[in-house]
Amino acid sequence: DVKVTQSSRYLVKRTGEKVFLECVQDMDHENMFWYRQDPGLGLRLIYFSYDVKMKEKGDIPEGYSVSREKKERFSLILESASTNQTSMYLCASNGGATDTQYFGPGTRLTVL
Amino acid sequence: AQKVTQAQTEISVVEKEDVTLDCVYETRDTTYYLFWYKQPPSGELVFLIRRNSFDEQNEISGRYSWNFQKSTSSFNFTITASQVVDSAVYFCALSEAASGTYKYIFGTGTRLKVLA
Repeated sequence: DVKVTQSSRYLVKRTGEKVFLECVQDMDHENMFWYRQDPGLGLRLIYFSYDVKMKEKGDIPEGYSVSREKKERFSLILESASTNQTSMYLCASNGGATDTQYFGPGTRLTVL
Repeated sequence: AQKVTQAQTEISVVEKEDVTLDCVYETRDTTYYLFWYKQPPSGELVFLIRRNSFDEQNEISGRYSWNFQKSTSSFNFTITASQVVDSAVYFCALSEAASGTYKYIFGTGTRLKVLA
């Protein structure tokens, strides 16, 4: 079974704080993804990575950065959190470009 | 342009009713993949099914069935004899082979409420 884990289910931060969201997958997948989910907007891709140290911007990368130092781990960084980044963040991974993406449990982030 | 439309924002049914969730997609690719995911209240997206554009055969898995029709660009999902545990948000997604961008295009989801 594919297992994607995320470091926190719920997180509360203050405006201006630096926030790290961690994602780990155990299936040796090449590709990893960060999405945010907002009501009425579905899932929107923030960044993805197709290899260690490689990353590409998704649809809404502004205000975010990512890091992939090891194949199994993909981090999403909010350099200076803002209230409009309050959202559900979902991590996913897959083994090939059009392969099925498997998702983690999500992190519900609230920025006060 | 690629697009996935789930026109039903929310559906409520009584337990044991059948319910169909609609998904209409747009793509210029001839090779593409369609997916359905379930998101229960716990938040995790659970993979349900993947179809490729060359396989229009309908699929049945227990109480779940999927109807893929290229002629109408639709990939609808039917739950037979719904149960309270089916209550969730359901997402349809499209992935295009030629784009090479690894990107899924998600619909906005349909919230299904099954009432006891």
